[in-house]
Amino acid sequence: AQSVTQLGSHVSVSEGALVLLRCNYSSSVPPYLFWYVQYPNQGLQLLLKYTSAATLVKGINGFEAEFKKSETSFHLTKPSAHMSDAAEYFCAVRKRRLSGGGGNTPLVFGKGTRLSVIA
Amino acid sequence: DTGVSQNPRHKITKRGQNVTFRCDPISEHNRLYWYRQTLGQGPEFLTYFQNEAQLEKSRLLSDRFSAERPKGSFSTLEIQRTEQGDSAMYLCASRGKANYGYTFGSGTRLTVV
Repeated sequence: AQSVTQLGSHVSVSEGALVLLRCNYSSSVPPYLFWYVQYPNQGLQLLLKYTSAATLVKGINGFEAEFKKSETSFHLTKPSAHMSDAAEYFCAVRKRRLSGGGGNTPLVFGKGTRLSVIA
Repeated sequence: DTGVSQNPRHKITKRGQNVTFRCDPISEHNRLYWYRQTLGQGPEFLTYFQNEAQLEKSRLLSDRFSAERPKGSFSTLEIQRTEQGDSAMYLCASRGKANYGYTFGSGTRLTVV
């Protein structure tokens, strides 16, 4: 079964500092990988996704993530944190079929990492 | 593209009552998903529709839960005889054929008292 592990339920950074949120996946075949952000009492917004092209993926709001097969990781980074980045971040995985495509497999989410940004 | 719409945004109900939530997906998306999110956790998959067909149900979906998508457009999720453990955010998402990721609605927060 697909799964993701997010290391650190809470990360705190200073405004302007580097943001690093960690995600490791478990899958026999490199899956599709996603990062979502959730603001209080809101749904989830897609930040970026890795499907099969470039291993360094750029997303919205200055975030990016790098797929590293050897480390089974998909860590999320942002060079300079902004106060508006404070939110809950979820890494998610969707199984990739050996024949290609994801079929109807649902997204599986990690438990989330709450990012706090200190002024 | 008006996004995924969920109603109501909040629902408070007494234990034992039935509740129904509605989800209107993005119009051209044929795939629709329901998730449940409890405090401090990631969303957990409940069920999935492709057009009007319910193709997958999680073991989390007890027999008190039922979901429908009668015309392949909007969907409803009903919980019968609600329990306090049903208190959660219920999220709906949709996906088109060419998409890899899902578009989520803002969710319905259920509180069972």
